[in-house]
Amino acid sequence: AQTIHQWPVAEIKAVGSPLSLGCTIKGKSSPNLYWYWQATGGTLQQLFYSITVGQVESVVQLNLSASRPKDDQFILSTEKLLLSHSGFYLCAWRHPGPYSGNTLYFGEGSRLIVV
Amino acid sequence: GDSVTQTEGPVTVSESESLIINCTYSATSIAYPNLFWYVRYPGEGLQLLLKVITAGQKGSSRGFEATYNKETTSFHLQKASVQESDSAVYYCALGEPNTGKLTFGDGTVLTVKP
Repeated sequence: AQTIHQWPVAEIKAVGSPLSLGCTIKGKSSPNLYWYWQATGGTLQQLFYSITVGQVESVVQLNLSASRPKDDQFILSTEKLLLSHSGFYLCAWRHPGPYSGNTLYFGEGSRLIVV
Repeated sequence: GDSVTQTEGPVTVSESESLIINCTYSATSIAYPNLFWYVRYPGEGLQLLLKVITAGQKGSSRGFEATYNKETTSFHLQKASVQESDSAVYYCALGEPNTGKLTFGDGTVLTVKP
């Protein structure tokens, strides 16, 4: 069975400090990977997606970046946090291929508070 | 752009009562959208509750059901008799087929009183 793990579960960080959130998927080869974000009181929105190792597409500009260093790993980061980065970050995977449907399977999320 | 509007919460119902959470969508860039209900139980991650990919079809899971109505652009979530364990946040979502792109509603917080 596939499992998805996100880390850290929660963080409190200072404005201007760096951030790194991670996501690992086990039990699935070459998954499509996604980062979603929900600001406090806001709507879940897609930030990035990746079809393959080393390739990441940005959907929304939030002064964040993402990388996929390994097939099963997806990293979200920034060198300088803003207050507006606070919220809930969700990693998700989907079966690869153009005709595999678009059901996303989400991790448990990372809650970020920027102070 | 595409958008999803759902019942604004919080919603509180008593156990064994019926429930409906409304969801309407606007799919301006997607000819044949897929529709989803996701749920987040306290302390858990976001998980798929049900999905329907064809207009006119009904999806069901855990006693919940929703019908994809293209005429009214709606995908309301219903349950005949809720349980306390149904307390959670429910999200309606619109999906562009085979892309992984989902447009979510704002979520509806449901509390079921014993």
